[in-house]
Amino acid sequence: GDSVTQMEGPVTLSEEAFLTINCTYTATGYPSLFWYVQYPGEGLQLLLKATKADDKGSNKGFEATYRKETTSFHLEKGSVQVSDSAVYFCALREASGSARQLTFGSGTQLTVLP
Amino acid sequence: GAGVSQSPSNKVTEKGKDVELRCDPISGHTALYWYRQRLGQGLEFLIYFQGNSAPDKSGLPSDRFSAERTGESVSTLTIQRTQQEDSAVYLCASSLAGHYEQYFGPGTRLTVT
Repeated sequence: GDSVTQMEGPVTLSEEAFLTINCTYTATGYPSLFWYVQYPGEGLQLLLKATKADDKGSNKGFEATYRKETTSFHLEKGSVQVSDSAVYFCALREASGSARQLTFGSGTQLTVLP
Repeated sequence: GAGVSQSPSNKVTEKGKDVELRCDPISGHTALYWYRQRLGQGLEFLIYFQGNSAPDKSGLPSDRFSAERTGESVSTLTIQRTQQEDSAVYLCASSLAGHYEQYFGPGTRLTVT
């Protein structure tokens, strides 16, 4: 079945550091890929998405590129802020069939220190 | 506008008791999902409702778990004869039909003692 593997945390960075959170997936066909973020005390929010190979999703300074050849969707940000401290989840949705649910990775806790 | 709401936010119950969790989706969202998040793990899909179609129950872990939805509104997830391994955060999400973005509620933290 489908699966998502993401970098284990926790990750601790200083403000303005470069961030990479690795995500790889296993799926049939060409799934849609997502990054969700969960800020402390809040529900999951969609951060960015990509629906086909070579697409780049971006939002709030975060970026991720859908790499079919490496089955990856790594999350990056050039300069993190304290307010980026949260748990980040990589997820996929099957490209075909009736399934509409998301398959999630285990989440990566990010803490940014001032 | 209002987002997805869930109640209760926290529930502590004794092993063997039944619990009922509630989800109010965003108005107009025809699709509704339940997920479970165990400590330190990702979200596991439980069940999916789309309009008046038969729900996709493929993620329910046992027959102790069931869920209902009235039309395109409130959904309840029921866990009978709770076990300690049922302890988790139960998340509900809703979306417009055919849309990728799912909007999540804050979750219900269930603790079975």
